[in-house]
Amino acid sequence: QLQLQESGPGLVKPSETLSLTCTVSGGSISSNSNYWGWIRQPPGKGLEWIGSIYYTGNTYNTPSLKSRVTISVDTSKNQFSLKLSSVTAADTAVYFCAREEYGSGSYHFDYWGQGTQVTVSS
Amino acid sequence: DIQMTQSPSTLSASVGDRVTITCRASQSISSWLAWYQQKPGKAPKVLMYDASSLESGVPSRFSGSGSGTEFTLTISSLQPDDFATYYCQQYNSYSRTFGQGTRVEIK
Repeated sequence: QLQLQESGPGLVKPSETLSLTCTVSGGSISSNSNYWGWIRQPPGKGLEWIGSIYYTGNTYNTPSLKSRVTISVDTSKNQFSLKLSSVTAADTAVYFCAREEYGSGSYHFDYWGQGTQVTVSS
Repeated sequence: DIQMTQSPSTLSASVGDRVTITCRASQSISSWLAWYQQKPGKAPKVLMYDASSLESGVPSRFSGSGSGTEFTLTISSLQPDDFATYYCQQYNSYSRTFGQGTRVEIK
């Protein structure tokens, strides 16, 4: 059974960089049919896609965060990571990592981590 | 950037009701749409993908339809476990976007 687990600091100071890692177990991150994504959810609000990465390192990010987001992959550790720079209180959210599975024409998120709360505060 | 708009934002319904949620895309996305269910404090769970394909293990009372810019998720007979928030999500080669969510609450 595939499992994803987010890890990283739960508290980040304003203007600093948020860093999270997603560890994949029960399957390979180097699969040809999967992307790996980050999604966040501010308190009481909806889901926001942050970005996705393929095992080769090819990435796509949401335009609204693009200049602050770096997503990377480490196939040797079966992990992918998120860095979000210059954070503000607006970046406070639950951060999820998830696997994107290819259907018959598109990708959808079929396996999710449990989510990790990140609070931006001094 | 493709925008996704769901309606209604909140839906009050009773057990046994037929429920329909609509999702509209700001431009054509073919059939590249998924639907998710989320309960408080939990990660979302995929229900449908490619607009009308039922994810393995999801009850058959859930169905999806649509293509282009207009999509629907239908629950044929609402069950107690279905009270939750539902999100649509579009996929294209370079981006993914979620709708703002539809909360299904007990009437």
